[in-house]
Amino acid sequence: TQLLKQSPQFLSIQEGENLTVYCNSSSVFSSLQWYRQEPGEGPVLLVTVVTGGEVKKLKRLTFQFGDARKDSSLHITAAQPGDTGLYLCAGVQVGSEKLVFGKGTKLTVNP
Amino acid sequence: NAGVTQTPKFQVLKTGQSMTLQCAQDMNHEYMSWYRQDPGMGLRLIHYSVGAGITDQGEVPNGYNVSRSTTEDFPLRLLSAAPSQTSVYFCASSYAPGSRGGYGYTFGSGTRLTVV
Repeated sequence: TQLLKQSPQFLSIQEGENLTVYCNSSSVFSSLQWYRQEPGEGPVLLVTVVTGGEVKKLKRLTFQFGDARKDSSLHITAAQPGDTGLYLCAGVQVGSEKLVFGKGTKLTVNP
Repeated sequence: NAGVTQTPKFQVLKTGQSMTLQCAQDMNHEYMSWYRQDPGMGLRLIHYSVGAGITDQGEVPNGYNVSRSTTEDFPLRLLSAAPSQTSVYFCASSYAPGSRGGYGYTFGSGTRLTVV
């Protein structure tokens, strides 16, 4: 059973389009994190959200933590080819010490 | 500041052989974890440690052992390699979640292991 469900699994868009990636669970998390991974490399942390309803912005990327701390979304505005990569959500359940990952969303932005 | 260093970067093993994947971090992080990444499966937690001398199992611990004798090092041992253990292995470290506002993990660059 996948604790964190990411959707969509694959996304191919044109440069300049907007997109949203979702990360959903039935469990409550003390924190949710988003990572980006490029081929042949380890994941790199983009953001951590810890407060229900929290919104964080990183240039053209907007991250939101659900009010109930069960879900999160990543929105990219005006996507660029440099945004291409695997986006992973990960979370620490309340009462746990383990960081668990969703399966990821593979994003391709075509010029 | 090297971050998280994993060695080796590539390894080919024969079925039944044993080996140790090394992981070292220089950020004084309390938490360290080992993940394996397989196509379509995402990152799955093998073992983790919340401090020196403390380890616990993750989602897929069978066939692997760990120890944490120092804060810096967290080696992963494959006891008797099997083809099902062919994967990319990542080590990661972090401050204790919540201790400094929920810091995320820093990952190494991975070890690509093939078991034939």
